[in-house]
Amino acid sequence: DVVMTQSPLSLPVTLGQPASISCRSSQSLVYSDGNTYLSWFQQRPGQSPRRLIYKVSNRDSGVPDRFSGSGSGTDFTLKISRVEAEDVGIYYCMQGTQWPKTFGQGTKVEIK
Amino acid sequence: QVQLVESGGGVVQPGGSLRLSCAASGFTFSSSAMQWVRQAPGKGLEWLAVMSSNGNFERYADSVKGRFTISRDNSKNTLYLQVNSLRAEDTAVYYCAAGWQCDYWGQGTLVTVSS
Repeated sequence: DVVMTQSPLSLPVTLGQPASISCRSSQSLVYSDGNTYLSWFQQRPGQSPRRLIYKVSNRDSGVPDRFSGSGSGTDFTLKISRVEAEDVGIYYCMQGTQWPKTFGQGTKVEIK
Repeated sequence: QVQLVESGGGVVQPGGSLRLSCAASGFTFSSSAMQWVRQAPGKGLEWLAVMSSNGNFERYADSVKGRFTISRDNSKNTLYLQVNSLRAEDTAVYYCAAGWQCDYWGQGTLVTVSS
C-alpha cells in the first residue's frame, strides 16, 4: 500500500499568518493517464470531511483562494496564505492513484 | 446541491451485522462511483471500499475484505455497505463519499461494536 506521511501533525498558527502542510507518499502518485491523484480534505471540529483540492492543485468549488496545493511525484504541499478562524480543523491528504486509497495521518491546525 | 445521507448505524454485539445505507440526491447517482470511508473515535480516515457507477468494479481495504460488501441500487439512488462479523475495532463513524476522488461526503453514521 502507498504510505502517506504528513508533517507537521500539529500546527499552531497566528491569525492572518501563512500555514503550510507537507504530504509525502512512499511511491510516485503519477497515474498511467498522466494525472496525479492527490487530494486534500478539511475536517472542521464536529463535521464530516470536505474536499478542498484535487489532482494536486485544483480548488473545489467554493473553496477560498487562500488555499492552494502544489507538488509532484511524491512530495506535496497545502498552503493557507492567511489563516482565518474558520480554518481550524484537521487536514488530510489522500492518494487516489493506487488501490487501496490511503490517507495521511492528519494535521491539526489550531490558532495560537 | 449534493446531499448524501447515511443511516443504519447503531450498537451491535461483536460478531453481529448491520446494513448501512447512503441516500444520494442533487447529482446523477447512476453516473458516479461511490465509496465508503470510516473514522474511529479520535482517529484519522480509513478508506474501506469503492464501487463503480454501474457496479462492475469494486475494491476493498484488506482490513474489511471478506466481511464487508458494497452494493448500490441506481433506481433508488442508494449505496449500501453490508458489514458482517463485526469486531470492536470496527467501531467508527462510517461515511459515504461520491466520486472516484471522494468529491462529496455525507454526515456519517456511527457504528458501535460492544457487548
